[in-house]
Amino acid sequence: DVKVTQSSRYLVKRTGEKVFLECVQDMDHENMFWYRQDPGLGLRLIYFSYDVKMKEKGDIPEGYSVSREKKERFSLILESASTNQTSMYLCASSFSRVPDAAGLIRNEQFFGPGTRLTVL
Amino acid sequence: KNQVEQSPQSLIILEGKNCTLQCNYTVSPFSNLRWYKQDTGRGPVSLTIMTFSENTKSNGRYTATLDADTKQSSLHITASQLSDSASYICVVIDDGGNQFYFGTGTSLTVIP
Repeated sequence: DVKVTQSSRYLVKRTGEKVFLECVQDMDHENMFWYRQDPGLGLRLIYFSYDVKMKEKGDIPEGYSVSREKKERFSLILESASTNQTSMYLCASSFSRVPDAAGLIRNEQFFGPGTRLTVL
Repeated sequence: KNQVEQSPQSLIILEGKNCTLQCNYTVSPFSNLRWYKQDTGRGPVSLTIMTFSENTKSNGRYTATLDADTKQSSLHITASQLSDSASYICVVIDDGGNQFYFGTGTSLTVIP
C-alpha cells in the first residue's frame, strides 16, 4: 500500500511565523504535490515536483516555497504566515509522469491525511 | 473558470437509499476521469478511474459512469451506509496525463 504521511494533523501558528509542513512517501514515487483545500474552492495546486531538487509553481504559489532534497520528502514552507493561509493542506504523490513500458502513465495521485493549519 | 462542475453541492439521504452524484466537465481532450472519496478531516482516497474510452466502472457499491460525448460523469451509490458520509470529488486529467482539474465536491450525509 502506498503511504503518504504528513508531519502534523493540526497546527496553530501566529501571523509572521515561519511554518514548515513536511510530507513523506514510501513508494519511491517521482512526483509530489502540495495542495490547499478551502470550502467551495476545491483543491488548488500550490507547487509540485517531478524530481529531486526540482520544483514547479502550481496555480497559487504566492506566499509559499518548497524544498525537495530527497526523493521521498517534499516540504512546504510559509516564509511569513498570514491569516489568509489558514486552510487544509494536502500532500500527494504519484509514480511518474512519463509512460511506462506498456505505454501507461501511472499518474494516480495518493494523498496524505492533510494538515489543518490555523494562522492567528 | 472551473472546468469541472459537480452537483449537487450537498445531499442528505436516509441509510439504505441510493443516490447519484453528477460531474460535468469541459476539459478536452482528456485521458481519464476519477472519483475520490474524502472523509472529514482526511485526505481523498481514489474510488474509481475511467479512461476516456470506458463507460462504467464499479467498486463495490460505487458505480461510476462516463459519457464522453456529453462530457458528463455520475457516481451512483447503492444501499447507502452511514460510512458513506463524506465529500466526493470528481477529477479530470488532460490528455497529457499531467494536468489535473478538480471539482469542488459533493458533500454527502447519510442519516439513520
